[in-house]
Amino acid sequence: ETGVTQTPRHLVMGMTNKKSLKCEQHLGHNAMYWYKQSAKKPLELMFVYSLEERVENNSVPSRFSPECPNSSHLFLHLHTLQPEDSALYLCASSRTSGGADTQYFGPGTRLTVL
Amino acid sequence: GEDVEQSLFLSVREGDSSVINCTYTDSSSTYLYWYKQEPGAGLQLLTYIFSNMDMKQDQRLTVLLNKKDKHLSLRIADTQTGDSAIYFCAESFYGGATNKLIFGTGTLLAVQP
Repeated sequence: ETGVTQTPRHLVMGMTNKKSLKCEQHLGHNAMYWYKQSAKKPLELMFVYSLEERVENNSVPSRFSPECPNSSHLFLHLHTLQPEDSALYLCASSRTSGGADTQYFGPGTRLTVL
Repeated sequence: GEDVEQSLFLSVREGDSSVINCTYTDSSSTYLYWYKQEPGAGLQLLTYIFSNMDMKQDQRLTVLLNKKDKHLSLRIADTQTGDSAIYFCAESFYGGATNKLIFGTGTLLAVQP
């Protein structure tokens, strides 16, 4: 247990569905991250939040919409996804978004888009 | 741009030592990390090394850093079947307002009994 939880662990959705991924950290951290892990590709950073403000958006399509209501919770809202969006979505948190603070990862949500 | 490379696969026998290698391109990296990912799980931080160090030892794990060649390695002594997993090397650097991690594609370590 890393102190970062994600729900659901598995999600299958059609291209017209709307769903949300949830991440919660119990570490008292101020920064949270969404990563995408696709087969045979390095982890891709999607979004970074620091103290509930988005500080990084790595050219992610608008069909992915993050939300950070407080420093412990992070959501990724999904709509009109494509089959190529199927991947493992990992959430991480760190004490701050700057410096060299270690990132701790959740178990991920395995997303399949039909 | 920043790039981190690893070999894709390593097979060892139980009890042997494993050495997983990584090369990176950004010489301004502050920390370099090793993460482990078991099937169906997220990434577990194994160890890290500050960029001004050459070596770090933590129980069965030894990290070696050659900053001149931008080469990082992870040695696992007395490898066990429970060490079978994907190992990711990552470098951190400060870009814009955030500290970013750049990951390699991962090395699948298979431990044969």
